[in-house]
Amino acid sequence: NAGVTQTPKFQVLKTGQSMTLQCAQDMNHNSMYWYRQDPGMGLRLIYYSASEGTTDKGEVPNGYNVSRLNKREFSLRLESAAPSQTSVYFCASNGNTGELFFGEGSRLTVL
Amino acid sequence: QKEVEQNSGPLSVPEGAIASLNCTYSDRGSQSFFWYRQYSGKSPELIMFIYSNGDKEDGRFTAQLNKASQYVSLLIRDSQPSDSATYLCAVNGGDSSYKLIFGSGTRLLVRP
Repeated sequence: NAGVTQTPKFQVLKTGQSMTLQCAQDMNHNSMYWYRQDPGMGLRLIYYSASEGTTDKGEVPNGYNVSRLNKREFSLRLESAAPSQTSVYFCASNGNTGELFFGEGSRLTVL
Repeated sequence: QKEVEQNSGPLSVPEGAIASLNCTYSDRGSQSFFWYRQYSGKSPELIMFIYSNGDKEDGRFTAQLNKASQYVSLLIRDSQPSDSATYLCAVNGGDSSYKLIFGSGTRLLVRP
């Protein structure tokens, strides 16, 4: 039972490079989320998708783009990475009860 | 002002004591409130959710909600060293039930 799967788990980028974080869920959930977590900052919402075909900005959307490819997949793209985007990124999906199911996280370092 | 506020801690309690964790939120339209536990290096996991004013108990955990005062708390009775973790409060945005905002978390240390 995979749940929420994120790839890659680790990535090192140079400033200005681009990359896409992939996320897929197999629980047939409508809503999906991308959060970043920095020390002492808790989880900050980057973007969310309430349902297939819709996306909305969260608390810290600048420097990111998202795509809800289908009901299962929600990707996060950094077009021009900056050191301030060094963080742990979590993808999550939301069942009807409101509970978030998280992936294992993706550790991104931007040099 | 952050939408969801928590004391960062650490909150240190002896084993067997009651740990009390608090959270305040700014959006009066919020309807759903969640407590997550996160061990170091791991993903958050749901402990409890509460939607109505009052108390909700689940084993050693009690969530308390006061919408008039805009705070939600989590009590952990008979605290165990295994409860040592960061506890994250999450609240849905009043403008969208799908927008879930987290506080910065409170680190709990339970001393043996």
